[in-house]
Amino acid sequence: EPEVTQTPSHQVTQMGQEVILRCVPISNHLYFYWYRQILGQKVEFLVSFYNNEISEKSEIFDDQFSVERPDGSNFTLKIRSTKLEDSAMYFCASSEARTGAYEQYFGPGTRLTVT
Amino acid sequence: AQSVAQPEDQVNVAEGNPLTVKCTYSVSGNPYLFWYVQYPNRGLQFLLKYITGDNLVKGSYGFEAEFNKSQTSFHLKKPSALVSDSALYFCAVRDLSGGSYIPTFGRGTSLIVHP
Repeated sequence: EPEVTQTPSHQVTQMGQEVILRCVPISNHLYFYWYRQILGQKVEFLVSFYNNEISEKSEIFDDQFSVERPDGSNFTLKIRSTKLEDSAMYFCASSEARTGAYEQYFGPGTRLTVT
Repeated sequence: AQSVAQPEDQVNVAEGNPLTVKCTYSVSGNPYLFWYVQYPNRGLQFLLKYITGDNLVKGSYGFEAEFNKSQTSFHLKKPSALVSDSALYFCAVRDLSGGSYIPTFGRGTSLIVHP
């Protein structure tokens, strides 16, 4: 069964450094998402992406964040200058169509630790 | 605005007994409702959804959920729990009258099935 993959599984970085989290969505899916989950808290939506542009974004997704689909398979989340509070599990997801009625397929996550 | 509540952080049940994981929601219009499961070190995995039609929805691994509009609930159930059902369960809702296509996730409920 096709699945969403993410790399790395764990990233440790120092405050102020840039990080790039990578995802490979399911190949025939058209919509891509990033979520984060701070330990013990809710799964929070960050951004959705379709046709090479952002569809929706939350208030969390400020100027420090950016997303890109640099080629036909990868989908990346960049944090320009990490803060301690960015420490969380970051999940990538994809869906066949807009997620109104379509379920999302999630990757295993990248645990980001900012020290 | 859409929101979802999972009132129990943890549910404990003996193997072979029925299980219920509770979810209540708040929307302005009609809801799309989803249940996802997360096993250790894995991403969220879709279990089932309610879009329209029959209030009782059947999903993967023998799980089902009942949409109750008057009680604004969408509780997840299984007649006979297995130890392998032990995982973190997330309810999600999307308000059809809202402008966003993004569902809101609950905090998650940890299900522990004892042998």
